[in-house]
Amino acid sequence: DTGVSQDPRHKITKRGQNVTFRCDPISEHNRLYWYRQTLGQGPEFLTYFQNEAQLEKSRLLSDRFSAERPKGSFSTLEIQRTEQGDSAMYLCASSLARGFLSTDTQYFGPGTRLTVL
Amino acid sequence: DQQVKQNSPSLSVQEGRISILNCDYTNSMFDYFLWYKKYPAEGPTFLISISSIKDKNEDGRFTVFLNKSAKHLSLHIVPSQPGDSAVYFCAASDVKTSYDKVIFGPGTSLSVIP
Repeated sequence: DTGVSQDPRHKITKRGQNVTFRCDPISEHNRLYWYRQTLGQGPEFLTYFQNEAQLEKSRLLSDRFSAERPKGSFSTLEIQRTEQGDSAMYLCASSLARGFLSTDTQYFGPGTRLTVL
Repeated sequence: DQQVKQNSPSLSVQEGRISILNCDYTNSMFDYFLWYKKYPAEGPTFLISISSIKDKNEDGRFTVFLNKSAKHLSLHIVPSQPGDSAVYFCAASDVKTSYDKVIFGPGTSLSVIP
């Protein structure tokens, strides 16, 4: 299967702990996105990579959040000193940019559900 | 401030009938609109899209209509099938920003009753 995969699927942690999530995009995709989804809401954009370059970060991404995509392949999202408000589904998506100003379909992974106790 | 709104949290439709899901947006810079479908325990999957230069796009049982002056779009599913039961997200982007930053609405949960 060559879809977007995320690991872990579920994570329960205590407040104040650090957590790290991994996303493996579709192999030839050069764009990678992280979203956060809370109950009753649609996915909210967090950050975006074009290859290994992080090109935009949402205001939702506080200093406790950091994302990397070291070799332009997989990506990690780390949350330091977790808070109860961080409890959400964290979604990763990838797309293949066909050119400037192109509209490329984003393919989503199944998400990582984080619960902070 | 929610830029993409879906004012109906849920919708129930009989199998075989038409499902109409509505979406409104506030940002006049949006020029590309998408619908995603989401089943429980899965990520959203792309369904259909429309550029602002069109007012209708059709793909099988799914048709999206865009009314730019009203900043309104709708998704029509005809005929509705039980497998269409899912949460539907309306989404929009401004292609001029050169990447696909997509703003999602809160979703409408569709139940198709056999």
